[in-house]
Amino acid sequence: AQKITQTQPGMFVQEKEAVTLDCTYDTSDPSYGLFWYKQPSSGEMIFLIYQGSYDQQNATEGRYSLNFQKARKSANLVISASQLGDSAMYFCAMTAHSFGNEKLTFGTGTRLTIIP
Amino acid sequence: GAGVSQSPSNKVTEKGKDVELRCDPISGHTALYWYRQSLGQGLEFLIYFQGNSAPDKSGLPSDRFSAERTGGSVSTLTIQRTQQEDSAVYLCASSLYSGEQYFGPGTRLTVT
Repeated sequence: AQKITQTQPGMFVQEKEAVTLDCTYDTSDPSYGLFWYKQPSSGEMIFLIYQGSYDQQNATEGRYSLNFQKARKSANLVISASQLGDSAMYFCAMTAHSFGNEKLTFGTGTRLTIIP
Repeated sequence: GAGVSQSPSNKVTEKGKDVELRCDPISGHTALYWYRQSLGQGLEFLIYFQGNSAPDKSGLPSDRFSAERTGGSVSTLTIQRTQQEDSAVYLCASSLYSGEQYFGPGTRLTVT
């Protein structure tokens, strides 16, 4: 079984600063996928970034990067140059395999608030 | 193109009634998922469809919950004899082969 742990229930960050949202995971599968989703107050879940367990490079998507440390089983999300629109809940999630269709197991989320 | 759509967006029902929630995935997406989001339980997986079959129903909380998918497209989640603990936002997602799942806006279910 997979487990995702997000230890920061809430964070406040000054606009334009970088922010790191923590995520650790637990799985016995050698192949897995790691995801980050954003959920604004409107409620929709927005895919941000994906990292496969066999990917050698850290994933990046615009201002988002995933700091993947396999030995430590961590998959932290880094947002560079934060903007007011980044205020939202952020969920780390994983699938049991890095390919194919699989259910997502989610963490409890971190509420990020960007301060102007 | 159109994203995942869900209906209704809000549903208020009395305890004991049956409800049906609908999901229209992104056209061509073979996989469809139902999740539930509640304050107490966070985001929970309910059921996954590949085409019209459901290889993983492990998250359905009781036999009051069922789901079907027809034509490899629209899916309906049915909750029979609703209970107050069924109150939650029900989210549907779809994906093509692997990787990211695209979520709909959700149906907020309130059982009074």
